[in-house]
Amino acid sequence: QSALTQPASVSGSPGQSITISCTGTSSDVGTYNLVSWYQHHPGKAPKLMIYEGSKRPSGVSNRFSGSKSGNTASLTISGLQAEDEADYYCCSYAGSSTVLFGGGTELTVL
Amino acid sequence: QVQLQESGPGLVKPSQTLSLTCTVSGDSISSGSYYWSWIRQPAGEGLEWIGRVYTSGSTNYIPSLKSRVTISVDTSKNQFSLKLSSVTAADTAVYYCARDRGSGWYYFDYWGQGTLVTVSS
Repeated sequence: QSALTQPASVSGSPGQSITISCTGTSSDVGTYNLVSWYQHHPGKAPKLMIYEGSKRPSGVSNRFSGSKSGNTASLTISGLQAEDEADYYCCSYAGSSTVLFGGGTELTVL
Repeated sequence: QVQLQESGPGLVKPSQTLSLTCTVSGDSISSGSYYWSWIRQPAGEGLEWIGRVYTSGSTNYIPSLKSRVTISVDTSKNQFSLKLSSVTAADTAVYYCARDRGSGWYYFDYWGQGTLVTVSS
């Protein structure tokens, strides 16, 4: 099992939209619609932003959305705000009751 | 509000056993509605799921660590624990505990803030 592949960093200006990709294989992302996304401000507890590919937990802004195409899942943040600056991690079910995380993406709001 | 708090030694010697406990408040481990997981993050690297435990004591572990990991639950204290044996410098990481939606869902909806464990002599 290898970690899911995410870009190391992305950036955008306030108000813009950005997309973070998460590439796996046919053994994880490609087969199961069980991708979740987490926002992590260093030193704080990670926060669930998206689960089951595209569902938002209560309290998460609708500026955050998730999707999937083939072996790649994506997190899109629209109307970028300064508070969105954080690290973002994807996670996918990988079979046999195990999950894999991505390497993380650092989002910079310019 | 569900809260999780990791506790345990911040420094462990090589070849020894790393032991951490996660204390849960705002939810009852014995309710059986969730699983409870450990996740770690080495410095400068991504997250790595270690394993999970259910209120019954049943467990799942990542294959690469399975031979060294034990996760257990103490419902009387509303805690669950991680033991990682024969540690090396590669096990130095921030360790997080998390509430795990488990079978059929596989996402983590509440996390602790994490605790740094350094493996060094």
